[in-house]
Amino acid sequence: DVKVTQSSRYLVKRTGEKVFLECVQDMDHENMFWYRQDPGLGLRLIYFSYDVKMKEKGDIPEGYSVSREKKERFSLILESASTNQTSMYLCASTGTVGQETQYFGPGTRLLVL
Amino acid sequence: GIQVEQSPPDLILQEGANSTLRCNFSDSVNNLQWFHQNPWGQLINLFYIPSGTKQNGRLSATTVATERYSLLYISSSQTTDSGVYFCAVINNAGNMLTFGGGTRLMVKP
Repeated sequence: DVKVTQSSRYLVKRTGEKVFLECVQDMDHENMFWYRQDPGLGLRLIYFSYDVKMKEKGDIPEGYSVSREKKERFSLILESASTNQTSMYLCASTGTVGQETQYFGPGTRLLVL
Repeated sequence: GIQVEQSPPDLILQEGANSTLRCNFSDSVNNLQWFHQNPWGQLINLFYIPSGTKQNGRLSATTVATERYSLLYISSSQTTDSGVYFCAVINNAGNMLTFGGGTRLMVKP
């Protein structure tokens, strides 16, 4: 079975702190994604990566950056956390976008005070 | 970008009832998926369905790509069906999923 893991299930941070969210997949997938989920808005794509060191902006990249130094690991970085970044963050991976399903991690609930 | 709308936004069913969830999308798409998010937040793929009909147990899905909609049918609902159902479409460039707002389902015993 494909496994996508996220470094934390719950995080509480203060405004202005730098926050790292890590995602690891064990299926050698080329493509990895970071979404945030907010009530009534569904999942919105922040960034995705189709290869090591490659990244593409999604729909809402402002205030976020990403890092993909190894194929299995995709990190989401909040350089200076703000209260409007309080959300559920979901990581996903897939082999070939459009031909395979995306597999999701369990999510990280981030609260920024 | 593509707009994806789901209806209804909320649904409460008595155990054993049937239901239909709808997903409309604004442009032609490469593919479409239905997901179930359980109360603990885990998203599980239900169907990968660019067109036609697929069935998996009590669930089935139909996508009519030419009319830009998909339907998810849940028959004989159970309390474990509770959660949020999302549809997501893949754009024609084939590199991004766009999610609808979800349908929150509660099945009462």
